[in-house]
This record gives sequence, structure tokens and C-alpha cells, in this order.
Amino acid sequence: QKEVEQNSGPLSVPEGAIASLNCTYSDRVSQSFFWYRQYSGKSPELIMSIYSNGDKEDGRFTAQLNKASQYVSLLIRDSQPSDSATYLCAVKHQAGTALIFGKGTTLSVSS
Amino acid sequence: EPEVTQTPSHQVTQMGQEVILRCVPISNHLYFYWYRQILGQKVEFLVSFYNNEISEKSEIFDDQFSVERPDGSNFTLKIRSTKLEDSAMYFCASSLATRTDTQYFGPGTRLTVL
Repeated sequence: QKEVEQNSGPLSVPEGAIASLNCTYSDRVSQSFFWYRQYSGKSPELIMSIYSNGDKEDGRFTAQLNKASQYVSLLIRDSQPSDSATYLCAVKHQAGTALIFGKGTTLSVSS
Repeated sequence: EPEVTQTPSHQVTQMGQEVILRCVPISNHLYFYWYRQILGQKVEFLVSFYNNEISEKSEIFDDQFSVERPDGSNFTLKIRSTKLEDSAMYFCASSLATRTDTQYFGPGTRLTVL
């Protein structure tokens, strides 16, 4: 059974702080890793994808992947109230097409 | 920017009725997907579709579900005989070409089964 685990939160940070979101996955042959943001009642919106070990930066967002530890994280720098949402970690198996989602971490950024 | 569209945004149906959810994937994308999200739960994969056939399906996608690409733009999900537990948000997604490509999601159809 392929599982993706995330802390459900809520994770509360003040405006301007760094938010750190974590995700672990069970299937060692997972190949592709994605972070989506989901506002209440809306669809998942892609933030970042990462395929190789290490860090990948895009604006205020940094994704980190450690395949040996089966761990992927998302850092949000200079958090804004508009970042308040549920962040979904999704993993794709090497041989498959399906995205396996975690339950998501709810982030609340207070002004 | 191209986007995935879905209709209707909200569908209410009686238990046992058939429903068809419609999606228009991004025009140059070749892989199409359906996911569902029951209220308060995680997003779950239903099925992927490529070259006019099912590429992969989950245990959820049983005989009451079917997918079709009836023309060059639409991608549909049919639920033959709806049950109360089919009430959920249904998301269509598409990706460009290869299996590792990013999937872009449509706004979803909220299905309510009474």
C-alpha cells in the first residue's frame, strides 16, 4: 500500500515567518514529487515539482527531497496571510500515472 | 493561460441515477485523469486515460464508473447508478505527454447524491 503522510496541522505562523511543511512516503520507487496548494472548496493548484535529491527554489518556495529518508518538504519564506491554505504533498510511482496524495497540512498565517 | 474546465460545477442527483461529469482538458495534453475528494478527506485517484484507453485505475473505479473521450476535446466520467457515498468533489486533470509530467487540475464538480 503506497502511503503519503503529512501532519494535518494546523500549522500557525506569523506573517513574515518561515513555514515548514513535511511529508513522508512509503514507496521507495516513487519518482516524482509535487506540492499543491488547496484553498477551501477549490481544486489543487500546483506549487512545485521535484524529482532529484536536494533543494529546488522558486520564489518564496523551496522544496527539499531526500529519497534515502523518503522525505520531502516545502519551505515558505516571508509567509503571507494569502498563503493560508491546505498544502498537499503528492507522489507518483515510477511505473504509474496516479498521484498519491497525503491528507494535507493546513497552514494559517496571521497578520 | 490554458486551463482545465469542468461542467457542471454542482450536480445534484437521486440515488440510483446515472450522472455524467464533463471535462475539457488543456488542448495539447495527452493524459487525462479523474480524482475525487470526499468532504474533509484526501484527494483520491480514480483513473487515468491515454490514447483512448484506460492507462491505470484504482480500486475505487469499479464497474459503476466509466470514462470516455467522445470527441477531440471532451473527457467524461460516467457513474451508472449513484450511491450516497459517491457524494464528493470530482476533479479532472490533464498532463502534457510523459508519465512524469505535472498534472493540472480543473475546478471540480461537486456531486451531491440524495
